[in-house]
Amino acid sequence: GEQVEQRPPHLSVREGDSAVITCTYTDPNSYYFFWYKQEPGASLQLLMKVFSSTEINEGQGFTVLLNKKDKRLSLNLTAAHPGDSAAYFCAVGTEGADRLTFGKGTQLIIQP
Amino acid sequence: GPKVLQIPSHQIIDMGQMVTLNCDPVSNHLYFYWYKQILGQQMEFLVNFYNGKVMEKSKLFKDQFSVERPDGSYFTLKIQPTALEDSAVYFCASSLTGPNERLFFGHGTKLSVL
Repeated sequence: GEQVEQRPPHLSVREGDSAVITCTYTDPNSYYFFWYKQEPGASLQLLMKVFSSTEINEGQGFTVLLNKKDKRLSLNLTAAHPGDSAAYFCAVGTEGADRLTFGKGTQLIIQP
Repeated sequence: GPKVLQIPSHQIIDMGQMVTLNCDPVSNHLYFYWYKQILGQQMEFLVNFYNGKVMEKSKLFKDQFSVERPDGSYFTLKIQPTALEDSAVYFCASSLTGPNERLFFGHGTKLSVL
């Protein structure tokens, strides 16, 4: 079945710097992807949903890149601010399956 | 926005007892899910439920696990009997049309089996 590896598990950057979180997946039939953000004590909140037809996806303060050839999905936070401190999870969906496979998560800390 | 509510937020029980975790999904959603997250580890799929039936379940969904959603009531995960390794945070999620759409997650129920 699908395997998703997310790196790094922990990331600390200074306020204003960029932060990059990457997920690699194994199933070539994967065609929809999600990034979720989880603040302490809160539920997972959707950051962005990506279909395999779109390689560059712009959000507010971040960009999601999908490299289908390398089976790699990345979340790039630009100019990080304290509100970005949270756990981030990628999730991958495969055609014909009724489940998402999550990465292990990245704990991101933004230092002032 | 739409919310998924989970009750209780924390449950402590003795090994071998039965426990029921309750989820109130988004009102017009049709697909319901349970995920299990052990501290520091990834969120792992347990089960997907649609139209009164289990659509897919993982190997983590042991025989001691069951799910149901009687009409108009909570979507529940029952574990009977519980084991020590069942200690985890259990997240309920719902979606309107299936797992390729956005999942709305609850805050999770932390289950501690002693």
